[in-house]
Amino acid sequence: SYELTQPLSVSLALGQTARITCGGNNIGDKNVHWYQQKPGQAPVLVIYTNNNRPSGIPERFSGSNSGDAATLTISRAQAGDEADYYCQVWDRTIVLFGGGTKLTVL
Amino acid sequence: QVQLVQSGAEVKKPGSSVKVSCKASGGTFNNYVINWVRQAPGQGLEWMGRIIPVFGITNYAQKFQGRVTITADKSTSTAYMEMSSLRSEDTAMYYCAKDGMDVWGQGTTVTVSS
Repeated sequence: SYELTQPLSVSLALGQTARITCGGNNIGDKNVHWYQQKPGQAPVLVIYTNNNRPSGIPERFSGSNSGDAATLTISRAQAGDEADYYCQVWDRTIVLFGGGTKLTVL
Repeated sequence: QVQLVQSGAEVKKPGSSVKVSCKASGGTFNNYVINWVRQAPGQGLEWMGRIIPVFGITNYAQKFQGRVTITADKSTSTAYMEMSSLRSEDTAMYYCAKDGMDVWGQGTTVTVSS
């Protein structure tokens, strides 16, 4: 079955650029979606279909997808960006989530 | 704007069943797909299945096939997720989410404990 691989954690200093990867076999052939989840809250869609931002999501959030990896990029990271981030794809009729990445902004 | 409101927290005994509801408002229920996602304490997101209410079509993750039943009542714009044969490992937060997963319910805590 198809699997998505994310790093467990990413740490960076305030104002730097965070890049969170989501690996999968030929994931570039799939549409990837990204969610942000803060403690005690429901997930929030931050990127859909590889590189599209829903209304209300800052331009600092962007996405790319090619080959065997998709990437969520968060520019000028802020303290409020600290959260868990999950990638997601469809595999035929099934939804798959990556294991999640904890982003820490120091 | 579509909103999804879920039923309240549940505490269940091992071996019993639980039924969680997800009521939609602010849109046309028949136009949606409703997904169910669970999250065990300290763990990641796990997709359970979905329903297309207008057709009554369901898809389930293999892990939950046979133990989870997702239904929908179009007259009340409400989707349901019922899980049977509960065990302690089913203790989790259960979410419903609209197709596209751009709208989520607030979550329902299910605790399975003897």
